Amino acid sequence: DAGITQSPRHKVTETGTPVTLRCHQTENHRYMYWYRQDPGHGLRLIHYSYGVKDTDKGEVSDGYSVSRSKTEDFLLTLESATSSQTSVYFCAITNRDKGNTIYFGEGSWLTVV
Amino acid sequence: GENVEQHPSTLSVQEGDSAVIKCTYSDSASNYFPWYKQELGKRPQLIIDIRSNVGEKKDQRIAVTLNKTAKHFSLHITETQPEDSAVYFCAASGPGGYQKVTFGTGTKLQVIP
Repeated sequence: DAGITQSPRHKVTETGTPVTLRCHQTENHRYMYWYRQDPGHGLRLIHYSYGVKDTDKGEVSDGYSVSRSKTEDFLLTLESATSSQTSVYFCAITNRDKGNTIYFGEGSWLTVV
Repeated sequence: GENVEQHPSTLSVQEGDSAVIKCTYSDSASNYFPWYKQELGKRPQLIIDIRSNVGEKKDQRIAVTLNKTAKHFSLHITETQPEDSAVYFCAASGPGGYQKVTFGTGTKLQVIP
């Protein structure tokens, strides 16, 4: 499982509230990612990080912010959740010891009502 | 940016038959092509990958082929079993400081016993 833990695994929140999803990894991987998965769209990159305090936007970054203050933690924040952000969110890492292969966490199911 | 198209979106086969899923990509610089299997409610898991210096790779009942000239790659599953039923994603990745991976939209494979 590449030592990736996501929390919370399931959350229901109201429109307009802030939400933070946490990704924690134990294997000192440099690169970390947040993807969202929606029917018909596959997996789309929201933000990624290439080191502590080094982050950049992916293809669907609007409405999301991230932070990485420690190597092991990558946080995804929805500043003001909207119904369009109802999705499954996957954290991922790149394992450079395995040919730069991407491995995913277990996912966080977020429902915005 | 990279664009990955995946077909078909759904595929039903009889147990024991073969299944083929095809993907095309647009960026000729892409050099890494992983395939992921995702069971219902679970994370995507890498099942096989291929790099651009290789034309074909096999692992037991699954194989992947790559045609760089035509910019397409395919997943082949032989002797399908009910446990092969899942959603399969192809992806393409190019050179760069991080794994800029673009995913296809997925193929839902159903193996009928």
